[in-house]
Amino acid sequence: AQKVTQAQTEISVVEKEDVTLDCVYETRDTTYYLFWYKQPPSGELVFLIRRNSFDEQNEISGRYSWNFQKSTSSFNFTITASQVVDSAVYFCALSDGNNDMRFGAGTRLTVKP
Amino acid sequence: DGGITQSPKYLFRKEGQNVTLSCEQNLNHDAMYWYRQDPGQGLRLIYYSQIVNDFQKGDIAEGYSVSREKKESFPLTVTSAQKNPTAFYLCASSIWKLRGDQPQHFGDGTRLSIL
Repeated sequence: AQKVTQAQTEISVVEKEDVTLDCVYETRDTTYYLFWYKQPPSGELVFLIRRNSFDEQNEISGRYSWNFQKSTSSFNFTITASQVVDSAVYFCALSDGNNDMRFGAGTRLTVKP
Repeated sequence: DGGITQSPKYLFRKEGQNVTLSCEQNLNHDAMYWYRQDPGQGLRLIYYSQIVNDFQKGDIAEGYSVSREKKESFPLTVTSAQKNPTAFYLCASSIWKLRGDQPQHFGDGTRLSIL
């Protein structure tokens, strides 16, 4: 059975601080895909990144970076120099070869000015 | 602009009433999904559909029904059998591939409350 755990329910930081959102997953499949989504106050989930299980290369996109480590079953997300517009709920998700996508409970990030 | 449109944004249900949430997409995606979001629980899958005239139950299908008569549309009916319908409902769509590597695109959601 697949499972995604986001242990941090809420995080609050001051603008310009760096923040890391943790994601730990469980799966028995050797091929799987990991995703991060952002849910701003407007409600829709916005796709941020996808990573497959064979590609452990870390990725950086502007102020966002992702650290995928199969050894610890983690796919953590770091925002550098956070901004107020980063305030949202962030979801980590796992999809296996059967197209079964499982979401974590989400981490609510508040960035204060 | 391509995207997913959910309506209405807010919906109120009286006891014993069925209500239908609309979801339309113009992304030409084969697959569509309905999720329920409750505080602190993430998203739970209600139903999904890979192709027209076919759909599958998700983890929490009881008390809900769907139809997929057109590729663009995937309405969700919350029936009176759903005893705790108050939640935020999200519709999503994606390209369908067996390996499950496609991201899902989401609508703005419908917030359903009981009167």
